Amino acid sequence: TQLLEQSPQFLSIQEGENLTVYCNSSSVFSSLQWYRQEPGEGPVLLVTVVTGGEVKKLKRLTFQFGDARKDSSLHITAAQPGDTGLYLCAGDGGGGSNYKLTFGKGTLLTVNP
Amino acid sequence: EADIYQTPRYLVIGTGKKITLECSQTMGHDKMYWYQQDPGMELHLIHYSYGVNSTEKGDLSSESTVSRIRTEHFPLTLESARPSHTSQYLCASKRTSGSTGELFFGEGSRLTVL
Repeated sequence: TQLLEQSPQFLSIQEGENLTVYCNSSSVFSSLQWYRQEPGEGPVLLVTVVTGGEVKKLKRLTFQFGDARKDSSLHITAAQPGDTGLYLCAGDGGGGSNYKLTFGKGTLLTVNP
Repeated sequence: EADIYQTPRYLVIGTGKKITLECSQTMGHDKMYWYQQDPGMELHLIHYSYGVNSTEKGDLSSESTVSRIRTEHFPLTLESARPSHTSQYLCASKRTSGSTGELFFGEGSRLTVL
């Protein structure tokens, strides 16, 4: 069974601070996705990383996929209250078009004004 | 913006009642999924479908059942609800051909069984 461990589980910071959240596994994933879920909503995809060592930037968010494709990180620069939400990582174990994603438990981020 | 809809958004019912959670998508996606989400826990896949008349059980055992008679519709039914079924249920869909792997989620149905 593939597991994804996310840390920290909870994070409360002030507006303007930087933060990094982590997604780790002992398994290799062919790709990894990051979703953000706001209260009362379903998760929304932020990014998909595919290549080991890949770095993707989405405005103030920087995503990195580990060289061995077992871990990933999300770094937010100058966090804003609008960044508040549950950040979920999800790994694709491969297997072609019928893959199923493995989700982590998420990091609940609160950015205070 | 995702075109996938779930009803009801919130439901409080008594033990033993039969309930159906509706999920519809207008994107023509072949693959549809039901996940169960509890606070502080992973999203657990309970059912999935790769197309009309195709349904499979997911990784988490569930007493619910699903059907896929039309591409756009993937309802989930509990014949006799129990307090242990209290949870948030998320429906999702994904395109098959040329897919980037993105799951499109509905807003969820929060079920409370008393």
